Amino acid sequence: ILNVEQSPQSLHVQEGDSTNFTCSFPSSNFYALHWYRWETAKSPEALFVMTLNGDEKKKGRISATLNTKEGYSYLYIKGSQPEDSATYLCAFMGGGSNYKLTFGKGTLLTVNP
Amino acid sequence: GAVVSQHPSRVICKSGTSVKIECRSLDFQATTMFWYRQFPKKSLMLMATSNEGSKATYEQGVEKDKFLINHASLTLSTLTVTSAHPEDSSFYICSARQGAIYNEQFFGPGTRLTVL
Repeated sequence: ILNVEQSPQSLHVQEGDSTNFTCSFPSSNFYALHWYRWETAKSPEALFVMTLNGDEKKKGRISATLNTKEGYSYLYIKGSQPEDSATYLCAFMGGGSNYKLTFGKGTLLTVNP
Repeated sequence: GAVVSQHPSRVICKSGTSVKIECRSLDFQATTMFWYRQFPKKSLMLMATSNEGSKATYEQGVEKDKFLINHASLTLSTLTVTSAHPEDSSFYICSARQGAIYNEQFFGPGTRLTVL
């Protein structure tokens, strides 16, 4: 059973604060790491697909880094806004016969105006 | 971005009945579709993977006779929960992928099933 851990479970920040959270995953047999943003009552939205160790991706105020050797990825949000409030999910994809996504439980971010 | 619809969004049924959930990719052809289940405070758990025109691949512990998956076209997959029981009550969500294995998956909004 693959173990994908996200921390913290939840986070409350003030509008304008920058924040970051962590996704830990197996450091062996890595193929890809996905980040999704999931607002209540909506579909999860793909943020990033990361495949290379040391990769850094950015979309607006959101960025992510990847360390496959030690098995972690960070998601950063700069200058949080209330509309950033959502659950952020990471999902690990292993190689070999297991090209499936294993999800973490997510980090629930609440940005207070 | 790519859109995936899922219907119904919420369904309540009596124990013993069957429920069908539809997942459609609206603006792209999905070579692969996935069905997930989520219990309260748990992560999304993959139930099965389906490729158009072939039988679904079920994850260990998922009963294929209980959860029937049909992927008849590149834009439609259905999940039928047969003879539903209260323990089948859960949140079911589908996703669709186009092309390469590592590509992002596009998710539907999910279906909340309650079996009385």
